[in-house]
Amino acid sequence: SSELTQDPAVSVALGQTVRITCQGDSLRSYYASWYQQKPGQAPVLVIYGKNNRPSGIPDRFSGSSSGNTASLTITGAQAEDEADYYCNSRDSSGNHLCVVFGGGTKLTVL
Amino acid sequence: QVQLVQSGAEVKKPGASVKVSCKVSGYTLTELSMHWVRQAPGKGLEWMGGFDPEDGETIYAQKFQGRVTMTEDTSTDTAYMELSSLRSEDTAVYYCATLGRYPNNWFDPWGQGTLVTVSS
Repeated sequence: SSELTQDPAVSVALGQTVRITCQGDSLRSYYASWYQQKPGQAPVLVIYGKNNRPSGIPDRFSGSSSGNTASLTITGAQAEDEADYYCNSRDSSGNHLCVVFGGGTKLTVL
Repeated sequence: QVQLVQSGAEVKKPGASVKVSCKVSGYTLTELSMHWVRQAPGKGLEWMGGFDPEDGETIYAQKFQGRVTMTEDTSTDTAYMELSSLRSEDTAVYYCATLGRYPNNWFDPWGQGTLVTVSS
């Protein structure tokens, strides 16, 4: 099955821009989706498709993709953005119904 | 707007089975692709499997094949995930979530999660 790789931890100064990346062969065939998860809470979808935000997600969150790498960018990070972030996509190496998640990135806002 | 409400926390002994439910409101279960994702304490998200209403097929992650069964009761719009032969490593929060239609790959919304603790 496919694998998605994320950096375990990233930090950003308050108000600055941070990019969280997700790498994997399946991203050559499918867009990544991105989720924010805060302690004790269920994941929340923040980016889907080419670069779409669900209702209620601030426009400082954006997504992009190139080759086998997808990126989640937070422009002007806020204290409330401190959380774990996960990417996922379909599995391109087997049954298309299968899904794969990245290992997650812990974002610290300094 | 789809809402998913899961059953409460469970404590099970090793070797036992657990069945977690996920009640759908705001939509009918037959129109949704319901999946299950788990998260062990301090660990990442792990996809377990799900149902594709277009194919009528339920697919399980290889890791769980033979131990997991996902079913649906369309009369009550409730999905179920049963995991058998529990071991301590199965201690986790189990989430139901709806997956977009292929080739879309996003999960939204998610249930609130059900903590399953496996302990002797």
